[in-house]
Amino acid sequence: DAGVIQSPRHEVTEMGQEVTLRCKPISGHNSLFWYRQTMMRGLELLIYFNNNVPIDDSGMPEDRFSAKMPNASFSTLKIQPSEPRDSAVYFCASSLNRGNEKLFFGSGTQLSVL
Amino acid sequence: GDSVTQMEGPVTLSEEAFLTINCTYTATGYPSLFWYVQYPGEGLQLLLKATKADDKGSNKGFEATYRKETTSFHLEKGSVQVSDSAVYFCALSDQAGNMLTFGGGTRLMVKP
Repeated sequence: DAGVIQSPRHEVTEMGQEVTLRCKPISGHNSLFWYRQTMMRGLELLIYFNNNVPIDDSGMPEDRFSAKMPNASFSTLKIQPSEPRDSAVYFCASSLNRGNEKLFFGSGTQLSVL
Repeated sequence: GDSVTQMEGPVTLSEEAFLTINCTYTATGYPSLFWYVQYPGEGLQLLLKATKADDKGSNKGFEATYRKETTSFHLEKGSVQVSDSAVYFCALSDQAGNMLTFGGGTRLMVKP
């Protein structure tokens, strides 16, 4: 298996633009997580899905952030409009099922909002 | 709520030195505890885990013991290598095992 695949690897955009980050979890994994990593705040859980259903989105910073999982093999994290303080590395991770704590992480998307 | 506190880095060691990275936690009930490692430019990978008090997790020469009395899960390695240079994250799971709470990460730099 290719592992968790995220795209793009790097994204540079201007303040106010819409940004869409993409994730393909490992086939057969039922849980998917979006994390944000910054120097100041470390690794923060934004939202997680189980069987394509959002279970906990309490970590989503504000309404500018939204996440979807239309099917078991694809998820998106959208920021609209983007702001410079959104600059971070965004990681997607998946696990086999709910209650399985071994997460498999993608390589992340480095987002820079100018 | 649950929280994890790690020693701040960076930790800089010479090759073959002994490593300790401290981790303490606050949680209700009996969480499982984990160490994840992040190599440059990559996502996190599970290094080791322990699911109950006094359990010892081990992998690749690293080990950590679940100490409930001191709420700690310190990571140790007897002889580090340059290839161990990475950021190490301590984490715990909630009671249902649904979510992981991560510490802030500790950067380890090993010099030849």
